[in-house]
Amino acid sequence: AQKITQTQPGMFVQEKEAVTLDCTYDTSDQSYGLFWYKQPSSGEMIFLIYQGSYDEQNATEGRYSLNFQKARKSANLVISASQLGDSAMYFCAMREFGGGNNRLAFGKGNQVVVIP
Amino acid sequence: GAGVSQSPSNKVTEKGKDVELRCDPISGHTALYWYRQSLGQGLEFLIYFQGNSAPDKSGLPSDRFSAERTGGSVSTLTIQRTQQEDSAVYLCASSLRTSGRAAPRGEQYFGPGTRLTVT
Repeated sequence: AQKITQTQPGMFVQEKEAVTLDCTYDTSDQSYGLFWYKQPSSGEMIFLIYQGSYDEQNATEGRYSLNFQKARKSANLVISASQLGDSAMYFCAMREFGGGNNRLAFGKGNQVVVIP
Repeated sequence: GAGVSQSPSNKVTEKGKDVELRCDPISGHTALYWYRQSLGQGLEFLIYFQGNSAPDKSGLPSDRFSAERTGGSVSTLTIQRTQQEDSAVYLCASSLRTSGRAAPRGEQYFGPGTRLTVT
């Protein structure tokens, strides 16, 4: 069963506008972590932000924030004040801590294109 | 400091040949992961090494795939008798040791990948 779902089609965003990328997840673990990665056309995966399942506050890292709704099992990424360099694929991933499993399960990604 | 490095960056091979892909993790990172990314897809977990523990090989798609990690640092992913469906980008990542909620974050840092094309 798919653990991470990212279903939005490619998105065009006006520079300086905010964009929200949807991510829903499926787990029976109570303890897990959610990650967002950015993959520009160069191909490297860049870690952006982390949210732990027990964190009470939504995570923020600069222009990135995570809208974490645990009951709905969603962890949407918000990018504020978009820049041209934000054009990339964005992947949501989850790590389940039960059983010592350290692998990340990734979604299929969201394509974002920022236009001037 | 230096990030995760991988070599070669590109590899073109003929069907049936063996290939070796190399990964140098970030110094001090005890955990190392291999993932595969096919065109337009997310990442697929292959194998995980943590210190001297037995590796988690549960993601390897067939017995043609194997990996080793020597001296707790450099890792080599070997694909024997390559097939066209093996064509993908192979990504390596490393992280600090994680142990459940004691060190819950454990974000993984990725290398630039090796693009493998099997003709």
